[in-house]
Amino acid sequence: DAKTTQPPSMDCAEGRAANLPCNHSTISGNEYVYWYRQIHSQGPQYIIHGLKNNETNEMASLIITEDRKSSTLILPHATLRDTAVYYCIVRVAWGAQKLVFGQGTRLTINP
Amino acid sequence: DAGVIQSPRHEVTEMGQEVTLRCKPISGHNSLFWYRQTMMRGLELLIYFNNNVPIDDSGMPEDRFSAKMPNASFSTLKIQPSEPRDSAVYFCASNLQGASNQPQHFGDGTRLSIL
Repeated sequence: DAKTTQPPSMDCAEGRAANLPCNHSTISGNEYVYWYRQIHSQGPQYIIHGLKNNETNEMASLIITEDRKSSTLILPHATLRDTAVYYCIVRVAWGAQKLVFGQGTRLTINP
Repeated sequence: DAGVIQSPRHEVTEMGQEVTLRCKPISGHNSLFWYRQTMMRGLELLIYFNNNVPIDDSGMPEDRFSAKMPNASFSTLKIQPSEPRDSAVYFCASNLQGASNQPQHFGDGTRLSIL
């Protein structure tokens, strides 16, 4: 699975959009970009995933660049409950099921 | 709907004792995963099952660790004998592996402390 690079930490004001970047320059054509988050003392929570088109769900939006070498997770109106570690993971859709978690980005939402 | 259920939530025991962690996956899911999280190594996959069969156990640290899945609704991760370096949070996850691209759903983990 392709390696990802994320900033170790970010801050965002409550009510503003939080934009979390992820670089995955060695991504292959059949690999998806997944985002999970882990709130303190809880298990990782799935947020969203995509292949090459932008995706949106009730939690977030995922913007993938045209060359697919980077992506941005957008939390449109961040709340204090969005404070967590956010993981960007790249893996193939089928075959090996392993999720390889990096160090992630520790996002702090400030009141 | 009930999510992935793990028990116990916390376990404190002395080194050398046997430890058994339990997991009930989401009903209808056919794949189950055991992960371990430590400050030093982060989140790492230990083993995963598909249709109750172990598929990849390359992450299991050593023979002291064993995992079973006797049926589709239950799995155990056993450590015998336990050592202080086994102290970590152990997560279980499940998903439905098939034609569609399903995310893994995690339980809230078992926080294990070996004294």
